[in-house]
Amino acid sequence: GAVVSQHPSWVICKSGTSVKIECRSLDFQATTMFWYRQFPKQSLMLMATSNEGSKATYEQGVEKDKFLINHASLTLSTLTVTSAHPEDSSFYICSARDRAYGYTFGSGTRLTVV
Amino acid sequence: GEDVEQSLFLSVREGDSSVINCTYTDSSSTYLYWYKQEPGAGLQLLTYIFSNMDMKQDQRLTVLLNKKDKHLSLRIADTQTGDSAIYFCAEAGRGADSWGKLQFGAGTQVVVTP
Repeated sequence: GAVVSQHPSWVICKSGTSVKIECRSLDFQATTMFWYRQFPKQSLMLMATSNEGSKATYEQGVEKDKFLINHASLTLSTLTVTSAHPEDSSFYICSARDRAYGYTFGSGTRLTVV
Repeated sequence: GEDVEQSLFLSVREGDSSVINCTYTDSSSTYLYWYKQEPGAGLQLLTYIFSNMDMKQDQRLTVLLNKKDKHLSLRIADTQTGDSAIYFCAEAGRGADSWGKLQFGAGTQVVVTP
């Protein structure tokens, strides 16, 4: 079946630094990838939709300058949290969509900003 | 309110059946999904059902769809301790702004007791 690899699985960074999270589709091409944020004991909140070769579409209330998304190839999308602050601490999950497999999720990244 | 609604908690004894219920609002949804999330992990697709089906069975899992009432349920037979997790139902949006995006419920915490 389809596999989406997400790295790192956890990261601790200092306030003011930037963190990059990678999401790779390993055995299929993902024309569309989604980035979610999940707070403890809550559902997934869609942050943005990433389409290969074009600009990401951000959901209302999500700062595009803070959460930079790049989808340069059919197998890789990255989310960069710029100038991270403690309130950015969260669990970030990516998902890739393709016609054969539907929606496949990465294993998530636990970001802690100190 | 949310477009997809679920009860938040279910406690079940090991060996019994679990039934998780979900209601959704987008009557044009073509696919409805059930995902499982264990602590600190991403989402694992359990099963899905196409909107022209009433029921789908996959080993211990049975999905029932009542399209008239926009009600979806997941039954887990012979529930095991390893089934303890959060279960999310989701529909694939078909609206102009939601097309292709998954709309998640809040998640049902299932606790299996010995």
